[in-house]
Amino acid sequence: ETGVTQTPRHLVMGMTNKKSLKCEQHLGHNAMYWYKQSAKKPLELMFVYSLEERVENNSVPSRFSPECPNSSHLFLHLHTLQPEDSALYLCASSQGLGSYNEQFFGPGTRLTVL
Amino acid sequence: AQRVTQPEKLLSVFKGAPVELKCNYSYSGSPELFWYVQYSRQRLQLLLRHISRESIKGFTADLNKGETSFHLKKPFAQEEDSAMYYCPCLGGTSYGKLTFGQGTILTVHP
Repeated sequence: ETGVTQTPRHLVMGMTNKKSLKCEQHLGHNAMYWYKQSAKKPLELMFVYSLEERVENNSVPSRFSPECPNSSHLFLHLHTLQPEDSALYLCASSQGLGSYNEQFFGPGTRLTVL
Repeated sequence: AQRVTQPEKLLSVFKGAPVELKCNYSYSGSPELFWYVQYSRQRLQLLLRHISRESIKGFTADLNKGETSFHLKKPFAQEEDSAMYYCPCLGGTSYGKLTFGQGTILTVHP
Protein backbone atom coordinates (compact mmCIF):
# COMPACT_ATOMS: atom_id res chain seq x y z
CA GLU A 1 0.00 0.00 0.00
CA THR A 2 1.21 3.50 -0.77
CA GLY A 3 1.06 6.80 1.06
CA VAL A 4 -0.06 7.03 4.66
CA THR A 5 -2.22 4.30 6.12
CA GLN A 6 -4.07 4.22 9.42
CA THR A 7 -5.61 1.35 11.35
CA PRO A 8 -8.20 0.80 12.52
CA ARG A 9 -10.45 3.07 10.50
CA HIS A 10 -13.14 2.99 13.19
CA LEU A 11 -12.81 2.30 16.90
CA VAL A 12 -15.34 2.24 19.71
CA MET A 13 -13.99 1.98 23.23
CA GLY A 14 -15.11 2.36 26.81
CA MET A 15 -13.53 4.84 29.18
CA THR A 16 -11.62 2.10 31.00
CA ASN A 17 -10.24 0.44 27.87
CA LYS A 18 -6.71 0.67 26.51
CA LYS A 19 -6.33 0.79 22.77
CA SER A 20 -3.79 1.92 20.20
CA LEU A 21 -4.02 3.69 16.86
CA LYS A 22 -1.47 2.83 14.23
CA CYS A 23 -0.07 4.91 11.40
CA GLU A 24 2.35 3.77 8.74
CA GLN A 25 3.91 5.81 5.96
CA HIS A 26 5.39 4.31 2.82
CA LEU A 27 6.92 7.54 1.53
CA GLY A 28 10.37 7.46 3.11
CA HIS A 29 9.57 10.54 5.18
CA ASN A 30 11.36 11.59 8.36
CA ALA A 31 8.58 13.46 10.17
CA MET A 32 5.22 12.19 11.38
CA TYR A 33 2.29 13.91 13.05
CA TRP A 34 -0.90 13.22 14.98
CA TYR A 35 -3.86 15.57 14.56
CA LYS A 36 -7.26 15.60 16.22
CA GLN A 37 -10.39 16.73 14.40
CA SER A 38 -13.37 17.23 16.67
CA ALA A 39 -16.87 17.92 15.46
CA LYS A 40 -16.97 21.64 16.01
CA LYS A 41 -13.31 22.60 16.31
CA PRO A 42 -10.50 23.16 13.84
CA LEU A 43 -8.05 20.44 13.02
CA GLU A 44 -5.59 20.49 15.89
CA LEU A 45 -1.98 19.28 16.01
CA MET A 46 -1.23 16.88 18.87
CA PHE A 47 2.30 15.57 18.38
CA VAL A 48 5.21 15.91 15.96
CA TYR A 49 8.02 13.40 15.56
CA SER A 50 11.17 14.01 13.55
CA LEU A 51 13.64 11.15 13.05
CA GLU A 52 11.79 9.21 15.76
CA GLU A 53 12.23 12.00 18.29
CA ARG A 54 9.25 13.92 19.64
CA VAL A 55 9.71 17.60 18.85
CA GLU A 56 6.26 18.91 19.66
CA ASN A 57 3.65 18.10 22.27
CA ASN A 58 0.79 20.51 21.86
CA SER A 59 -0.38 20.39 25.49
CA VAL A 60 -2.01 17.01 25.02
CA PRO A 61 -3.33 15.19 28.13
CA SER A 62 -1.27 12.25 29.30
CA ARG A 63 -4.07 9.80 28.54
CA PHE A 64 -2.76 10.10 24.97
CA SER A 65 0.69 8.54 24.66
CA PRO A 66 2.52 8.59 21.30
CA GLU A 67 5.21 6.19 20.24
CA CYS A 68 7.46 6.32 17.18
CA PRO A 69 9.57 3.13 17.02
CA ASN A 70 10.98 4.03 13.61
CA SER A 71 10.49 6.66 10.95
CA SER A 72 7.79 4.65 9.17
CA HIS A 73 5.52 3.91 12.12
CA LEU A 74 3.66 6.05 14.60
CA PHE A 75 1.33 4.89 17.33
CA LEU A 76 -1.10 6.67 19.61
CA HIS A 77 -1.79 4.73 22.78
CA LEU A 78 -5.07 5.52 24.44
CA HIS A 79 -6.09 4.86 28.03
CA THR A 80 -8.86 6.09 30.33
CA LEU A 81 -10.27 8.37 27.66
CA GLN A 82 -13.27 10.62 28.09
CA PRO A 83 -16.33 10.90 25.83
CA GLU A 84 -15.10 14.33 24.69
CA ASP A 85 -12.07 12.58 23.19
CA SER A 86 -14.34 11.17 20.51
CA ALA A 87 -13.03 12.59 17.25
CA LEU A 88 -11.31 11.82 13.97
CA TYR A 89 -7.60 11.24 14.52
CA LEU A 90 -5.44 11.97 11.52
CA CYS A 91 -1.86 10.96 10.95
CA ALA A 92 0.41 12.80 8.54
CA SER A 93 4.00 12.58 7.37
CA SER A 94 6.45 14.85 5.60
CA GLN A 95 10.03 14.67 4.38
CA GLY A 96 11.13 17.30 6.90
CA LEU A 97 9.69 20.02 9.08
CA GLY A 98 10.19 23.15 6.97
CA SER A 99 7.68 24.99 4.85
CA TYR A 100 8.63 23.25 1.61
CA ASN A 101 7.72 19.91 3.15
CA GLU A 102 4.19 19.04 2.19
CA GLN A 103 2.32 17.04 4.79
CA PHE A 104 0.64 13.92 3.47
CA PHE A 105 -2.39 12.82 5.44
CA GLY A 106 -3.84 9.43 6.17
CA PRO A 107 -7.56 8.63 5.99
CA GLY A 108 -8.01 8.94 9.75
CA THR A 109 -9.37 6.79 12.56
CA ARG A 110 -12.87 7.63 13.74
CA LEU A 111 -12.81 7.14 17.52
CA THR A 112 -15.91 6.93 19.69
CA VAL A 113 -15.52 6.83 23.47
CA LEU A 114 -18.56 5.57 25.33
CA ALA B 1 -0.17 32.73 19.33
CA GLN B 2 -0.89 32.26 15.69
CA ARG B 3 -4.48 31.92 14.60
CA VAL B 4 -6.27 31.35 11.32
CA THR B 5 -9.84 32.44 10.65
CA GLN B 6 -11.96 31.23 7.80
CA PRO B 7 -15.11 33.29 8.26
CA GLU B 8 -17.35 31.33 5.89
CA LYS B 9 -18.29 27.85 6.99
CA LEU B 10 -20.32 27.29 3.81
CA LEU B 11 -19.95 28.86 0.39
CA SER B 12 -22.12 28.13 -2.64
CA VAL B 13 -21.57 29.32 -6.19
CA PHE B 14 -22.73 28.29 -9.63
CA LYS B 15 -20.50 26.66 -12.18
CA GLY B 16 -18.58 29.25 -14.16
CA ALA B 17 -18.89 31.92 -11.48
CA PRO B 18 -15.88 33.38 -9.71
CA VAL B 19 -15.16 32.06 -6.25
CA GLU B 20 -13.18 33.46 -3.36
CA LEU B 21 -12.58 31.58 -0.13
CA LYS B 22 -11.50 33.91 2.64
CA CYS B 23 -8.66 33.31 5.04
CA ASN B 24 -7.30 35.72 7.64
CA TYR B 25 -4.38 35.03 9.91
CA SER B 26 -2.99 36.44 13.10
CA TYR B 27 0.74 35.99 13.43
CA SER B 28 3.52 38.22 14.64
CA GLY B 29 6.37 36.95 12.47
CA SER B 30 6.60 36.01 8.83
CA PRO B 31 3.84 33.50 8.25
CA GLU B 32 3.94 30.67 5.80
CA LEU B 33 0.47 29.89 4.54
CA PHE B 34 -1.06 27.04 2.63
CA TRP B 35 -4.34 25.89 1.23
CA TYR B 36 -5.29 22.27 1.79
CA VAL B 37 -8.35 20.62 0.25
CA GLN B 38 -10.40 17.56 1.06
CA TYR B 39 -12.63 16.21 -1.71
CA SER B 40 -15.49 13.88 -0.87
CA ARG B 41 -14.25 10.47 0.27
CA GLN B 42 -10.63 11.52 -0.16
CA ARG B 43 -7.97 12.48 2.29
CA LEU B 44 -6.74 15.97 3.08
CA GLN B 45 -4.14 17.11 0.55
CA LEU B 46 -2.07 20.17 -0.25
CA LEU B 47 -3.51 22.50 -2.89
CA LEU B 48 -0.97 25.30 -2.91
CA ARG B 49 1.50 27.24 -0.75
CA HIS B 50 2.16 30.95 -0.82
CA ILE B 51 5.94 30.69 -1.04
CA SER B 52 5.64 28.90 -4.38
CA ARG B 53 3.35 31.57 -5.86
CA GLU B 54 1.79 28.85 -7.97
CA SER B 55 -1.56 28.30 -9.60
CA ILE B 56 -3.07 24.86 -9.10
CA LYS B 57 -6.29 23.72 -10.79
CA GLY B 58 -6.92 27.35 -11.68
CA PHE B 59 -6.71 28.49 -8.05
CA THR B 60 -4.42 31.27 -6.89
CA ALA B 61 -3.83 32.87 -3.50
CA ASP B 62 -1.92 36.03 -2.70
CA LEU B 63 -0.53 36.80 0.70
CA ASN B 64 -1.60 40.30 1.74
CA LYS B 65 0.44 41.21 4.79
CA GLY B 66 -1.33 44.53 5.20
CA GLU B 67 -4.71 42.90 5.50
CA THR B 68 -3.26 39.68 6.99
CA SER B 69 -5.17 37.67 4.43
CA PHE B 70 -4.51 34.76 2.10
CA HIS B 71 -7.74 34.41 0.16
CA LEU B 72 -8.10 31.60 -2.39
CA LYS B 73 -9.52 32.62 -5.76
CA LYS B 74 -10.63 31.01 -8.97
CA PRO B 75 -12.19 32.97 -11.84
CA PHE B 76 -14.46 30.18 -13.09
CA ALA B 77 -15.57 27.56 -10.57
CA GLN B 78 -16.13 23.96 -11.67
CA GLU B 79 -18.35 21.32 -10.08
CA GLU B 80 -15.29 19.24 -9.25
CA ASP B 81 -14.04 22.09 -7.04
CA SER B 82 -16.71 21.21 -4.48
CA ALA B 83 -14.79 20.24 -1.34
CA MET B 84 -13.71 21.31 2.12
CA TYR B 85 -10.92 23.90 2.03
CA TYR B 86 -8.49 24.70 4.86
CA CYS B 87 -5.97 27.49 5.15
CA PRO B 88 -3.31 26.46 7.70
CA CYS B 89 -0.43 28.61 8.83
CA LEU B 90 3.07 27.35 9.57
CA GLY B 91 5.46 29.36 11.64
CA GLY B 92 7.07 30.34 14.88
CA THR B 93 9.28 28.11 16.93
CA SER B 94 6.96 25.13 16.72
CA TYR B 95 8.48 22.51 14.51
CA GLY B 96 6.27 21.60 11.58
CA LYS B 97 3.20 22.89 13.36
CA LEU B 98 0.33 23.75 11.07
CA THR B 99 -2.41 25.84 12.69
CA PHE B 100 -5.74 25.24 10.98
CA GLY B 101 -8.90 27.30 10.75
CA GLN B 102 -12.41 25.90 10.78
CA GLY B 103 -12.46 25.25 7.06
CA THR B 104 -14.92 26.27 4.35
CA ILE B 105 -17.19 23.85 2.53
CA LEU B 106 -17.45 24.96 -1.09
CA THR B 107 -20.35 23.73 -3.18
CA VAL B 108 -20.37 24.46 -6.89
CA HIS B 109 -23.83 24.00 -8.39
CA PRO B 110 -24.33 23.00 -12.04
